[in-house]
Amino acid sequence: GENVEQHPSTLSVQEGDSAVIKCTYSDSASNYFPWYKQELGKRPQLIIDIRSNVGEKKDQRIAVTLNKTAKHFSLHITETQPEDSAVYFCAANVEYGNKLVFGAGTILRVKS
Amino acid sequence: KAGVTQTPRYLIKTRGQQVTLSCSPISGHRSVSWYQQTPGQGLQFLFEYFSETQRNKGNFPGRFSGRQFSNSRSEMNVSTLELGDSALYLCASSFDGSAGNTIYFGEGSWLTVV
Repeated sequence: GENVEQHPSTLSVQEGDSAVIKCTYSDSASNYFPWYKQELGKRPQLIIDIRSNVGEKKDQRIAVTLNKTAKHFSLHITETQPEDSAVYFCAANVEYGNKLVFGAGTILRVKS
Repeated sequence: KAGVTQTPRYLIKTRGQQVTLSCSPISGHRSVSWYQQTPGQGLQFLFEYFSETQRNKGNFPGRFSGRQFSNSRSEMNVSTLELGDSALYLCASSFDGSAGNTIYFGEGSWLTVV
């Protein structure tokens, strides 16, 4: 069935280091892969997304890569800052329309 | 441009009661989806509405229902509440719900069932 696996579940990095979160998906028809950042008590906020017609997308310190053959995509955060600390969710669309299947989330802690 | 607006933000209900949550999508957006977020199950898709029609449905019991109005505003209802229904209910909107549409979430409605 539809499934998105996300690793690691927790990630601690030193301020200034890079953080990488990886996801794999099962539905070969998926063509939209958003990443959301959720701070405690707040809504998931879209930070970057990628569509299947590109392999990489970058927005300042954040980048996402997509490998459709292997069915995996990754989030890269460079020069991490304490305010990057949050839970990050990857997702993939399935079926037609707007159904998203989410990964279980990664708790990112940036130590200063 | 206003974001996705959900009301109420917080509510406490008793087992067996029913609850209705409301969502106003971003202006111009016609697709509204609902998600349930719990610590144990994560973010799970409930259903999606487009042009007042339910277009997609997740694996939730029939106690969970929804509807969409002609102005794209949506409501979801949970009947016969159970303790396990305690969760953050998130509404998400997108332009027309096509695959690849950017999806934006509202602040959510925190439901506690006691």
